[in-house]
Amino acid sequence: DAMVIQNPRYQVTQFGKPVTLSCSQTLNHNVMYWYQQKSSQAPKLLFHYYDKDFNNEADTPDNFQSRRPNTSFCFLDIRSPGLGDAAMYLCATSRFRGHYTEAFFGQGTRLTVV
Amino acid sequence: GNSVTQMEGPVTLSEEAFLTINCTYTATGYPSLFWYVQYPGEGLQLLLKATKADDKGSNKGFEATYRKETTSFHLEKGSVQVSDSAVYFCARGRSNYKLTFGKGTLLTVNP
Repeated sequence: DAMVIQNPRYQVTQFGKPVTLSCSQTLNHNVMYWYQQKSSQAPKLLFHYYDKDFNNEADTPDNFQSRRPNTSFCFLDIRSPGLGDAAMYLCATSRFRGHYTEAFFGQGTRLTVV
Repeated sequence: GNSVTQMEGPVTLSEEAFLTINCTYTATGYPSLFWYVQYPGEGLQLLLKATKADDKGSNKGFEATYRKETTSFHLEKGSVQVSDSAVYFCARGRSNYKLTFGKGTLLTVNP
């Protein structure tokens, strides 16, 4: 089935040690998003790609970076994770053709910082 | 501004009870509206959607009607099950292809 796949489901990293989360999609959607979700909160958009164009949210810390080498893959890089970066990270995709259609989410990666 | 306000939880119901989770939005124009569900430890799943006024989205016994006059998109289900226990998010699409989420409502259904 076409879907959005995130790897790994659970990631433990050391304080300050760079970590990369990955997302792939078989939907051929042109927009890919990264969200951060902390406990009992709504997902917070970090950034998104519209095709190859990168769009950062104004309040996303510089510590967070992203790469989209091709349509199918998108990566979230956290350069120096702090304890406050422990969260669920959600990747999503959508097809935008002049009007908004629904976003499809992956299962998420639960990041623990020790 | 563009925002989504949904009923704060938690909501606790007995099995087979009627469910309503209120959601209202502010917007210019006619945004697409969505309900997403998140089960513990999982990502978000699209539950239902509506793209224009008076549309009714439905799925798995859940329904929501796009009410332009009251700018609302309330989620309802006639008879909830234990397996419906989850967090429900109301969301609206924006013209710049982003989603605006409500804060989420935790539903617990007891046997």
